[in-house]
Amino acid sequence: IQLTQSPSSLSASIGDRVTITCRASQGISSYLAWYQQKPGKAPKVLIYAASTLQSGVPSRFSGSGSGTDFTLTISSLQPEDFATYYCHQLYSYPPTFGGGTKVDIK
Amino acid sequence: QVQLVESGGGVVQPGRSLRLSCAASGFTFSTYPMHWVRQAPGKGLEWVAVISYDGSNKYYADSVKGRFTISRDNSNNTLYLHLNKLRTEDTAVYYCARASGSVEPYWGQGTLVTVSS
Repeated sequence: IQLTQSPSSLSASIGDRVTITCRASQGISSYLAWYQQKPGKAPKVLIYAASTLQSGVPSRFSGSGSGTDFTLTISSLQPEDFATYYCHQLYSYPPTFGGGTKVDIK
Repeated sequence: QVQLVESGGGVVQPGRSLRLSCAASGFTFSTYPMHWVRQAPGKGLEWVAVISYDGSNKYYADSVKGRFTISRDNSNNTLYLHLNKLRTEDTAVYYCARASGSVEPYWGQGTLVTVSS
């Protein structure tokens, strides 16, 4: 199953609403996770089961979607949110990742 | 709390072998499938291998099939990855991860493997 993330990069300002999409090549129900990764660090789980917020993750992050189309939304971008974001499907093997979306400062 | 701690990385020559370990704690290790995922410098995430909760089933990425072996010791809550016939393109940070269906995923902090002559 291929995951296509868009955009591959974006520039945004503090306070902006940011939306990242992840499209699966076939239906994956809600078996999708979203990660945030900063340089030199391990991926951090933000969302799992498409829309469940990981404990401790700020509520400005939200996930939605099922089947083939998914969205990660940051409602009000904060300085610590500049990072690369990945989607990850766990519906079938091999588990695959999106190509990543790099969010940087405008 | 759930913790996954990788170890065993280092610098190794092409063609040589290495064994990575991942010590798990904070959950019932023997009831979850476990994965290895890697990330080459400046690249995205690449899934490497998965092993079922009891070790009876294993799946590998085509890029490592026949060279890497995943295993686990449920009595010691430890996941392993045996890396054989290493190539320069295997240079990456290797992460172990607990990830299954719609269950909350967890990742370790990673261990760096550098393959260089």
